[in-house]
Amino acid sequence: AQTVTQSQPEMSVQEAETVTLSCTYDTSENNYYLFWYKQPPSRQMILVIRQEAYKQQNATENRFSVNFQKAAKSFSLKISDSQLGDTAMYFCAFSPYNNDYKLSFGAGTTVTVRA
Amino acid sequence: GAGVSQSPSNKVTEKGKDVELRCDPISGHTALYWYRQSLGQGLEFLIYFQGNSAPDKSGLPSDRFSAERTGGSVSTLTIQRTQQEDSAVYLCASSPSQGYGYTFGSGTRLTVV
Repeated sequence: AQTVTQSQPEMSVQEAETVTLSCTYDTSENNYYLFWYKQPPSRQMILVIRQEAYKQQNATENRFSVNFQKAAKSFSLKISDSQLGDTAMYFCAFSPYNNDYKLSFGAGTTVTVRA
Repeated sequence: GAGVSQSPSNKVTEKGKDVELRCDPISGHTALYWYRQSLGQGLEFLIYFQGNSAPDKSGLPSDRFSAERTGGSVSTLTIQRTQQEDSAVYLCASSPSQGYGYTFGSGTRLTVV
């Protein structure tokens, strides 16, 4: 079984600043996917960024980028130039490559962007 | 539709009653998933449907929970004899194929009183 750990329950950041969210996971798989999802108050989970474990290059998506350290089983998310609309709960998630429909989620980090 | 639609948005029910939660996936998506999100927690996998294959029910927490998907489209999650610990947000997602490009609905918040 895979476990995903997000050690920061809450983070606060000033608008236009940078914030980094941590995520670690435990797996015996060699190939897998990692995700960051955003959940605003509307409750809908929105995919922020996706990383394939066999790719060494860190994924980026506009102001969002990850630092993927496979050996350390670490997958942090950096939000640059934070905007008020980034205020949400952020979840790190893992899925094995062969059964990639089952996502295992961390407990989430609440991010608040201050004006 | 343009997105995954779930109904009702909120449901309050008395302990011991049965409830049905509905999910209408994106047209053409063959895969459909149910997850449960308890207060302050991440999402917990419940069940997965893929086309005409037998569903993966390994995440259902008890035999009070069941789900079906009719005609490869709409899905209903049924909880019988609800308990207070069933209170949670139930999220549905669909994807065009196994695991790729999930789109989530906005969920049903179930409160058992």
